[in-house]
Amino acid sequence: QVQLQESGPGLVKPSQTLSLTCTVSGDSIRNGGYYWSWIRQEPGKGLEWIGYVHYSGSTNYNPSLKSRVSISMDTSKSQLSLKLSSVTAADTALYYCAGHGLGDPFDVWGQGAKVSVSS
Amino acid sequence: SYVLTQPPSVSVAPGQTAKITCGGTKFGGNGVNWYQRVPGQAPVLVVYDDSDRPSGIPERFSGSNSGSTATLTISRVEAGDEADYFCQVWDRGSDHAVFGGGTKLTVL
Repeated sequence: QVQLQESGPGLVKPSQTLSLTCTVSGDSIRNGGYYWSWIRQEPGKGLEWIGYVHYSGSTNYNPSLKSRVSISMDTSKSQLSLKLSSVTAADTALYYCAGHGLGDPFDVWGQGAKVSVSS
Repeated sequence: SYVLTQPPSVSVAPGQTAKITCGGTKFGGNGVNWYQRVPGQAPVLVVYDDSDRPSGIPERFSGSNSGSTATLTISRVEAGDEADYFCQVWDRGSDHAVFGGGTKLTVL
C-alpha cells in the first residue's frame, strides 16, 4: 500500500520560495506507471492542481502557476518536491501530494501540509 | 479549458439520498472522478470514470454522467458521509487536471 507524507515549513514570508517535500513509501517512486502530482486547497476554495512529475523526468504544470512552480523527484530518497517562488498571501493553502496513472484518478493522497504566507 | 461547477452545499437527513452535481462544458468523453474529503484527513477517491467504484467504497456511492452533468449519488446517507466532495476530470488535450469547486455535504 503506497503512503504519502508531505513535510515542510508551515510559514513562508511573502516574495520567498515555498518548498515542500513528499515522501513515498510502500512502493517504488520509480514505478514507471505512476505520476506524482501536487494539489492545493486555498481556504474556502476548491482544489487546484499544481502539476505533476514522472520518473522519466517529464513534468506538466498548471498554466496559472507555471511561471513560478517547479516539481522534481529524488529517487534515492523516494521523495518528490515542490518549489513555488515569489509567494504571496494568495498561496496560503493546504498542499497535497497525490499519485496517479497518466489521465487516471488520483488514487493515493497524502494528509496534506498547511502553509501560510505571512510576514 | 474545462470549468466544473458544483453547488456549494447539499443537506440531507440520515437515511435519505444525496445527489451532488458537477456541470459545465461537455466532458468530451473524459471520465469524471469524485473525491471525499473529511477535514483533517486525506481525500479519498469514491467514484472514478463516471460510475466505477474503487474497492472498499460502499455500494451506497454511485456516479453517473449525462454528457454535460455528472452526478454523485449517496444512498442511505450516514453521519459519517458528512464531508466535502469534489469532482475532477483530465483535460486530454493538455493533460491538466481540473477540479470542481467542491460541495459540502451536511447530514442533518
